[in-house]
This record gives sequence, C-alpha cells and structure tokens, in this order.
Amino acid sequence: GENVEQHPSTLSVQEGDSAVIKCTYSDSASNYFPWYKQELGKRPQLIIDIRSNVGEKKDQRIAVTLNKTAKHFSLHITETQPEDSAVYFCAASFNKFYFGSGTKLNVKP
Amino acid sequence: EAQVTQNPRYLITVTGKKLTVTCSQNMNHEYMSWYRQDPGLGLRQIYYSMNVEVTDKGDVPEGYKVSRKEKRNFPLILESPSPNQTSLYFCASSPRPAFLNTEAFFGQGTRLTVV
Repeated sequence: GENVEQHPSTLSVQEGDSAVIKCTYSDSASNYFPWYKQELGKRPQLIIDIRSNVGEKKDQRIAVTLNKTAKHFSLHITETQPEDSAVYFCAASFNKFYFGSGTKLNVKP
Repeated sequence: EAQVTQNPRYLITVTGKKLTVTCSQNMNHEYMSWYRQDPGLGLRQIYYSMNVEVTDKGDVPEGYKVSRKEKRNFPLILESPSPNQTSLYFCASSPRPAFLNTEAFFGQGTRLTVV
C-alpha cells in the first residue's frame, strides 16, 4: 500500500516567518494530495489540496507544490501568525486516504 | 448544519467491556471511515465503508468491528477493548471515493481510555 512520510515532526518559527512542511509518497497511482489542519482539541479540517495534474496551488498565505516525478509535495505558509499554530497532516490518496504522521507547528509571537 | 457527529466525546472503560462509538453524518455521503490518531503515527484508517452494507478493513482493523445498516450511521464497536486501543478516534465521511479528489469531513473525535 501507500506510504506517506512527513517532515519535520515539529516546527517552531517566529511570527512573520515562513514555514515549510514536506511529504513524500510511494505509490505513483496516488492522484490527490490534501492538507489538513488540526487545532488543539479539534477535528482535522481541509485547508488546501492539489491534484496530480497541477504543480502548484496557492490560497492567500498558503501554497502547496507537487513534484510527481520525485513523489513529494510540500505545504508553504508565508507571514505566519500565532493562529497558524496547529498540527498539519498531509495525505495522499488513490483508493483511500493515507495520512502522514503530522507536523506540530508553533508560531511564536 | 452539515456535520459528522460522534458520541461520546470522552470515554473511560475497563479492559474487556464491550463498547460502541457512534458516528452519524447528515450530508448523504456514501463513504465513511474510522481512524485512530496516536502521537507520532498520524491518522491510521481502521475500517471504511463505500455504501450501506459494504465495509472493508483499513490499515489497523484488529480488535474493531463496524456496521453500515443505514447510510448516515457508521458505528465503531470494540468487542473486548484492551489498553493498546487507548487512542483518539475520528469518524470521517466524504461524498465520493478518495480517488475522485474529494474532501474528508471529520467528526469532533472520541478520546478513549481503556484501563
């Protein structure tokens, strides 16, 4: 089956800096790559996604890039704010969702 | 309001005492799943269902059962809970299968402790 690896497991940045979270996947059949944000004590919620026929997608301060050849995709958050502090999960999917192990992002004011 | 509802939110039980965690969605979604979330391991799929009466094992199905008698409900059953099933559990639903680029909507989670 699919194997999704996510790095780093924790990330601490100063408010206003950028944050990058990286994921790799193993199954070339995976064709959809969502990112979920989980605030403390809450449910995961979709923040951005990218399909396999697209290389990059941006939504305000967040962007996702996909390199199908290398089988990796990344989440980029610019101008980080304290409310960006959360756990972020990447996922790859074909027949079902496979999630990464999560990155705990801490944005220091 | 469109949502996925799990109950209970918190549960402490003893080893071997059967329990059920309920999950209900009001979005008429065909696909439903159960995940467990453990530190450093992310979200791992326990079981999923593609439609009424159609269920299949996920990555970590041992010790769990599910049923899908109605489209909206997808309960998770632990027949004989053990301490290694202490975890945070999420139910999720989606309107289409994952390969059709669909969002998964999560319930609010159930924190289970087995002592």
